Amino acid sequence: SQQGEEDPQALSIQEGENATMNCSYKTSINNLQWYRQNSGRGLVHLILIRSNEREKHSGRLRVTLDTSKKSSSLLITASRAADTASYFCATDWTGANNLFFGTGTRLTVIP
Amino acid sequence: NAGVTQTPKFRVLKTGQSMTLLCAQDMNHEYMYWYRQDPGMGLRLIHYSVGEGTTAKGEVPDGYNVSRLKKQNFLLGLESAAPSQTSVYFCASSPGLGRHFGDGTRLSIL
Repeated sequence: SQQGEEDPQALSIQEGENATMNCSYKTSINNLQWYRQNSGRGLVHLILIRSNEREKHSGRLRVTLDTSKKSSSLLITASRAADTASYFCATDWTGANNLFFGTGTRLTVIP
Repeated sequence: NAGVTQTPKFRVLKTGQSMTLLCAQDMNHEYMYWYRQDPGMGLRLIHYSVGEGTTAKGEVPDGYNVSRLKKQNFLLGLESAAPSQTSVYFCASSPGLGRHFGDGTRLSIL
């Protein structure tokens, strides 16, 4: 499988704490994206980082990319109960007419 | 602005029955996709379209057919449903890299 692998599979934190989840992948990529999925809903695009970028911010989200280690991390700062969801990374690469999704990290933020 | 709308939201079929899932987007996106989501498997691409009148196979196309007669609609058909096709089906559209997803169709094949 070419999909990314998120780690951990599940994470439970207190509201206000930071949440970090990781994604590892197998091939050289063009872009890496992070998505959020609330229970019973579709995926929502959060952020895209290109292979020549090392860090990107969007509000309380910080994404890093280490192409030498073929890994990315998503940091959610000052978490809120509303951040409770599953988070997926997705990668694409030259020649692939597809976006390959990982199996996700289930984040629970306890109020 | 509705985004991506999928119908129906839930459906139960018997083995061998056929059905069509409808996806409609109002964002004028060229690209549309059908995925299935199964526990522990992530999302897997079934078929996709890069424009009106075009379709192509994804990772897991067997047992499914698609059509894109109009730019805003992408139909997924199951000709003879099998229990292995029990899943949550998501449609997505895209202007390029990021995907906009519908809320899914939960399909059970008995």
